[in-house]
Amino acid sequence: ETGVTQTPRHLVMGMTNKKSLKCEQHLGHNAMYWYKQSAKKPLELMFVYNFKEQTENNSVPSRFSPECPNSSHLFLHLHTLQPEDSALYLCASSQELRTGNTGELFFGEGSRLTVL
Amino acid sequence: KQEVTQIPAALSVPEGENLVLNCSFTDSAIYNLQWFRQDPGKGLTSLLLIQSSQREQTSGRLNASLDKSSGRSTLYIAASQPGDSATYLCAVTGGTSYGKLTFGQGTILTVHP
Repeated sequence: ETGVTQTPRHLVMGMTNKKSLKCEQHLGHNAMYWYKQSAKKPLELMFVYNFKEQTENNSVPSRFSPECPNSSHLFLHLHTLQPEDSALYLCASSQELRTGNTGELFFGEGSRLTVL
Repeated sequence: KQEVTQIPAALSVPEGENLVLNCSFTDSAIYNLQWFRQDPGKGLTSLLLIQSSQREQTSGRLNASLDKSSGRSTLYIAASQPGDSATYLCAVTGGTSYGKLTFGQGTILTVHP
């Protein structure tokens, strides 16, 4: 039990499909993150939410649309993706500190996305 | 912009060896440094978190050190086991990437029986 749960674990979609990735954290944290992990590249931060407010959009294309309805749930809505978007998408949570810096990050198992 | 480099990219050792993984970062004004483990196709598991004011942290057979002024951290694994085989990732928060975690590319460790 990692405390951060992601569904689905695997997803195959066509370029015209619309799908969503879901993340739920049971750790009482106030910040949640989406990271992208592609082969042979470092993890890339996509979005950050603090207290349900988006505080970071790391130049992510608009075909990725995040949603954070509350501090425990985070979604990543996907539409008209490209084959190069195929990757492992990781959700994480942490307790954001008053200094604005990040506490220890806890990750989910990831959603493996394949775009055909 | 903060950059994190991990050396070596891959390491293969026989069971029982003590080993050291290296991490360096370009901006020494970090808030903390975290070591993670990732098994193939899985998420990241946090191993150790070192605050910028600390020099080292220990957990079981793992010991991580931090030299902030020189921009370096090492992860020491004692008496390695085949179950330690995984990718080890180093990440820092703070500096020019304030509030964000910047990751290295990882070291792929294989411990063979």
